[in-house]
Amino acid sequence: SAVISQKPSRDICQRGTSLTIQCQVDSQVTMMFWYRQQPGQSLTLIATANQGSEATYESGFVIDKFPISRPNLTFSTLTVSNMSPEDSSIYLCSVEARGERAPHSYNEQFFGPGTRLTVL
Amino acid sequence: GQQLNQSPQSMFIQEGEDVSMNCTSSSIFNTWLWYKQDPGEGPVLLIALYKAGELTSNGRLTAQFGITRKDSFLNISASIPSDVGIYFCAGQNYGGSQGNLIFGKGTKLSVKP
Repeated sequence: SAVISQKPSRDICQRGTSLTIQCQVDSQVTMMFWYRQQPGQSLTLIATANQGSEATYESGFVIDKFPISRPNLTFSTLTVSNMSPEDSSIYLCSVEARGERAPHSYNEQFFGPGTRLTVL
Repeated sequence: GQQLNQSPQSMFIQEGEDVSMNCTSSSIFNTWLWYKQDPGEGPVLLIALYKAGELTSNGRLTAQFGITRKDSFLNISASIPSDVGIYFCAGQNYGGSQGNLIFGKGTKLSVKP
């Protein structure tokens, strides 16, 4: 399994500013992901954070708006740039790691506690 | 893209009752997963299903991977107050090193003591 921490846990920001969210894992992992969960909604994948190369973004998400860093196998950051109220969401980091229940060839995806962002 | 239809959207039940929720998809998945999210927390994996037709239990929870690979259900027996939360199904289409998860919209469960 993997234990994931995120900073900050929550923040209230002004329109037009940027916020960087940190994700720290207690073990080295290959795959790290960033998700967005809008109020009362499900989770949507923003991007896969690749160590040593540029992140892979999903449709509807771009690097200029959500720049991602992945300097090593235990850490990643997501920046929400030039924020607007529509960016108010929970942002979640997740990783793939060996789970107790998965068959030998499978990993499980573990989630951090999330960062609750409110943009005024 | 792929979408999951999860139902019901919310449930209000009495403690001790059984609960059933399900997910359907217009396309197939190789893996079905069920997560629970408590307020202020990230989702926690409850059950993972890897083979069509598979029926798996985890305590009072039972989930099945539909034979068509396009659906899954989750049952909770004898509900207790700590079962309160949002339950998400998720489908995944990669084996081994995984790809991204497609999540359902969630079922919000409320339990009256």
